[in-house]
Amino acid sequence: AQSVAQPEDQVNVAEGNPLTVKCTYSVSGNPYLFWYVQYPNRGLQFLLKYITGDNLVKGSYGFEAEFNKSQTSFHLKKPSALVSDSALYFCAVGSSGNYQLIWGAGTKLIIKP
Amino acid sequence: EAGVAQSPRYKIIEKRQSVAFWCNPISGHATLYWYQQILGQGPKLLIQFQNNGVVDDSQLPKDRFSAERLKGVDSTLKIQPAKLEDSAVYLCASSLEGFGSGNTIYFGEGSWLTVV
Repeated sequence: AQSVAQPEDQVNVAEGNPLTVKCTYSVSGNPYLFWYVQYPNRGLQFLLKYITGDNLVKGSYGFEAEFNKSQTSFHLKKPSALVSDSALYFCAVGSSGNYQLIWGAGTKLIIKP
Repeated sequence: EAGVAQSPRYKIIEKRQSVAFWCNPISGHATLYWYQQILGQGPKLLIQFQNNGVVDDSQLPKDRFSAERLKGVDSTLKIQPAKLEDSAVYLCASSLEGFGSGNTIYFGEGSWLTVV
């Protein structure tokens, strides 16, 4: 069975510091991995995805994520956090040939000035 | 390119009343999804359409929820009668084809329902 875990409910980072939001997964077959962001009172916005190829994926707003097959992880990173990055972040996982996309519970990212 | 359009954005109804939400996906997107998101939780898939056929409605409470996608374009989600626990954001999303091909799912801004 497919599953995804976001082990931290909340991550606090000072502005200008690097940030990491963690995601681990379990799938049978090759994984498809996604990150979305949700700002207050808004829908989910696509940030980036890994389907195949380079393990380091670059996305919107300066975010990137690294696919690590041995650790079954897909952590979201940004070198220098902005206050405007404060939002709710969701990781999602699927696999080839499977239409189901499994969503994490979300991690609240708070960037303090 | 226009995004996924949803209406209404906000709705407050009394329990046992009915409500309908409308969604127009991105042009050319064959797959349409309705998700329910309870405050502070991840989205939960209610129903997935491929063109005008249902792919998955296993988590749709069929005694009170219904959805249709006539002509394979826009879609309507209806709740009748509403319960207090239906208070949530109803997110419509679309993708070029079924997710299994790795296509990105794009979301609308959501319809925020409060049942009192």
